[in-house]
Amino acid sequence: LAKTTQPISMDSYEGQEVNITCSHNNIATNDYITWYQQFPSQGPRFIIQGYKTKVTNEVASLFIPADRKSSTLSLPRVSLSDTAVYYCLVGDDTGGFKTIFGAGTRLFVKA
Amino acid sequence: GAGVSQSPSNKVTEKGKDVELRCDPISGHTALYWYRQRLGQGLEFLIYFQGNSAPDKSGLPSDRFSAERTGESVSTLTIQRTQQEDSAVYLCASSLGGSGTGELFFGEGSRLTVL
Repeated sequence: LAKTTQPISMDSYEGQEVNITCSHNNIATNDYITWYQQFPSQGPRFIIQGYKTKVTNEVASLFIPADRKSSTLSLPRVSLSDTAVYYCLVGDDTGGFKTIFGAGTRLFVKA
Repeated sequence: GAGVSQSPSNKVTEKGKDVELRCDPISGHTALYWYRQRLGQGLEFLIYFQGNSAPDKSGLPSDRFSAERTGESVSTLTIQRTQQEDSAVYLCASSLGGSGTGELFFGEGSRLTVL
């Protein structure tokens, strides 16, 4: 299972765009890239998933370059309520999400 | 129910006691996972159930930990002879299938405190 590396923490201000990059150098052909968000005292919540190029939904965009060795979660115009931990994980289609989530990226949004 | 339900939400126990944590997955979800999350840390995989297949227990930290699942429904995680280092939030998640392309739905977790 591919290992992921993310920054430990990031700071931003309300209204700014935030980009969190995740490295996954040994990603396998069948792997998908998924991002989760976790607020204190809650379980993680699915944000977005992609395989290649760009994926966009109502809350975020996910950019994946051609070599798929990294991915970038983009949060447009963050608000204070986006303060959370963001996890990047890579899952294959055989064993599900057995991989550990890792420490994630703690995003602090300031007023 | 509409989401993954876990109980108890909080459990305080004394060192050496056994505890049982329960997870009710979303109906129809064949895959079920247990994770452990220590304070300020990421999620640590414990065990994975997929349908009627043998569970993947590769993440269980010791033989004091065990889990069962009845068919595609309720799962219980049992910790015997609890130790202080077992204090953590235990999260359960379910998904429609076992594929890594699926979305995981998490419960709110069971916070275990071992005194």
